[in-house]
Amino acid sequence: AQSVTQPDIHITVSEGASLELRCNYSYGATPYLFWYVQSPGQGLQLLLKYFSGDTLVQGIKGFEAEFKRSQSSFNLRKPSVHWSDAAEYFCAVGGINQGGKLIFGQGTELSVKP
Amino acid sequence: DSGVTQTPKHLITATGQRVTLRCSPRSGDLSVYWYQQSLDQGLQFLIQYYNGEERAKGNILERFSAQQFPDLHSELNLSSLELGDSALYFCASSVQGLEEETQYFGPGTRLLVL
Repeated sequence: AQSVTQPDIHITVSEGASLELRCNYSYGATPYLFWYVQSPGQGLQLLLKYFSGDTLVQGIKGFEAEFKRSQSSFNLRKPSVHWSDAAEYFCAVGGINQGGKLIFGQGTELSVKP
Repeated sequence: DSGVTQTPKHLITATGQRVTLRCSPRSGDLSVYWYQQSLDQGLQFLIQYYNGEERAKGNILERFSAQQFPDLHSELNLSSLELGDSALYFCASSVQGLEEETQYFGPGTRLLVL
C-alpha cells in the first residue's frame, strides 16, 4: 500500500536560516508528489508538485523540492526562512489508477524563531 | 482564497445526530474531493466525485455518504455521529479530477461532536 512518511513532527529554525523538510514515500510506480502548506485556520495551499522530468522543482514562496528515486524521497527546501513561513507542511502522493486520491503524510509543523 | 467555499465553518452537535456539510467548487472545476483531518488519523481521503459520479473512494465510513449535484456543489452527510467523528473536514476541487491536477482546498468545516 502507498504511504508517506514525514519523520519530523516539529522543526524550529531561526529566521533567515535554511530549511529542509523530509518526505519519504512508498509506492510501486513513479508517483505524483505534492507539497502543501496549511496556515492556522486555513485550508491547504499547494507549494509545488512533481510528475516527471527535471527532478528539482520550483514552487511558490521561494520553495523547491528534489525528487530522488533511489531514496524514495521528495524533500522540501528553502534557502532563507521568513517568519511568515511558520505553518504546517504536508507531503502527499498520488498515482495512477487512484482517481485523484491523495495520500498525505502526518505533517511537519514549522516554527520560526526571530 | 482558493475559490472553494465550505459551509458551515463550525458545527457543534451531539452523538447520534446527523449533519450535512456543503461544498461549492471553484468555478469551472468538475471534480470534488472530501478529506477528514483529525489528530489521530491525520489527513485522510474520503471520497471523490467527478461531474456527479463517484470516481474514487477512500476510508469513508458506512455512516457517511456524499453526493455531487448537477450544479456541481457537493454535500457530505455524516450520521449516527460519534465522538471520534470530531475533525476538520476539507473539500477540494480540481478541473478534471486527474491525478496530476492541483487540488484547491476550501477552508474546512470544523465538526465537534459532544
